[in-house]
Order: sequence, then C-alpha cells, then structure tokens
Amino acid sequence: AQSVTQPDIHITVSEGASLELRCNYSYGATPYLFWYVQSPGQGLQLLLKYFSGDTLVQGIKGFEAEFKRSQSSFNLRKPSVHWSDAAEYFCAVSGGATNKLIFGTGTLLAVQP
Amino acid sequence: GAVVSQHPSWVICKSGTSVKIECRSLDFQATTMFWYRQFPKQSLMLMATSNEGSKATYEQGVEKDKFLINHASLTLSTLTVTSAHPEDSSFYICSVQKQGSSYNEQFFGPGTRLTVL
Repeated sequence: AQSVTQPDIHITVSEGASLELRCNYSYGATPYLFWYVQSPGQGLQLLLKYFSGDTLVQGIKGFEAEFKRSQSSFNLRKPSVHWSDAAEYFCAVSGGATNKLIFGTGTLLAVQP
Repeated sequence: GAVVSQHPSWVICKSGTSVKIECRSLDFQATTMFWYRQFPKQSLMLMATSNEGSKATYEQGVEKDKFLINHASLTLSTLTVTSAHPEDSSFYICSVQKQGSSYNEQFFGPGTRLTVL
C-alpha cells in the first residue's frame, strides 16, 4: 500500500538558516511526488512536484526537492529560511492506477528571529 | 492559473441542521474533485472523490448519507453535511484535477471551517 512518512512533526530553525524537511514514501511503481504548504486556516499551496526526469526539482519561494529512488525519499530544502516560511508542510504521493493523493502527517515549521 | 474557490469560508450552525459547502474551479474544467477534512494539527483525510455526472466514491468509514456530494458540472461540486453534530466540526477542503491532467496534480481550495454548536 502507498504511504508517506514525515518523521519530523515539528522543526524550529533560525531565520537565515538552511532547512531540510524529510519525506519517505512507500510505493510500488514510479511515484508522482508533491510538496504542499499550508498556512494557518488556509488551503494547500503547491510548492513543487516531481513526475520524471531531473531528480532535483525547483519550486516556488526558493524551495527545492530531490527525488532519491534508492532511499525512497523526496526531501524538501531551502538554503535560507525567511520568517514567512513558518507554516505546515505536507509531502504527498500519487500515481499508477489511482489519482488520489496520499499525504504525510505534516511537519510544522517554526522560524525564530 | 488554477484557482479554486470554496464558499463559505466559515460557517457556524446548530446541531441537527444541514450545511452546504461549494467548491468551484474558476478558470478551468475539473475532471475530478476531491473532498477532504482536516482536524486541528492533523493531516488531510480524503473523504470522497467525485466525477462530474456520476456518484461520488467514498472512502472507507465515511458515511455517504451524512456527507452528500453532488458534482453537477465540470466547475462545481457541493458537499452537504446533513444533520450536523459537534463532532462534524472540522476544516473541509476541496481539491480539483484539471481535465486532461496526466500526473494527478490537485489544486486546493482555501477551505471551509465548520463549527457545529
């Protein structure tokens, strides 16, 4: 069965520091992978996505993610975090016969001044 | 663009009443729409998948008679919470897939906060 694991429930970083949010997936075929961000009381905004090709994908707001098939991972990174990046981040997987998105449990990012 | 709207953004109702939430894709036709609910500090839980002109497919454990979904057109889906109770209080989010989308990308609405008193 498809599943997504985000091992870090809560992360705090200082403004200007680098960030990496972890995401591991379990899927039998080539997955479609997504990172979404959710601000409090808001819907989800797509940061980036991976379907095929170059395993390093660039997204909006300076985010990037790298697909590593050998590690079943799709970690999200940003070289320098801004206070406005404080939010909840969700990794999701889809593909194959289903058009559903399977979400991880989310990582809540706090940014210290 | 891929703009999805939801109405209302928040609603408060009395226990036993029904509440209708609308989800619209504003600038494209949506093959499929999804309805999720999200409890505080938790992830999204898929409730049902709806395709225009056909019955919705509900996830296991979701009561189809309580959560009525109507997908009347390629741009509009509605979720009606019937006989709402306090335990139905939650954040409801819809998402849509574009017609012709190959990679299952979903575009999300801003959500509807339902509070049942």
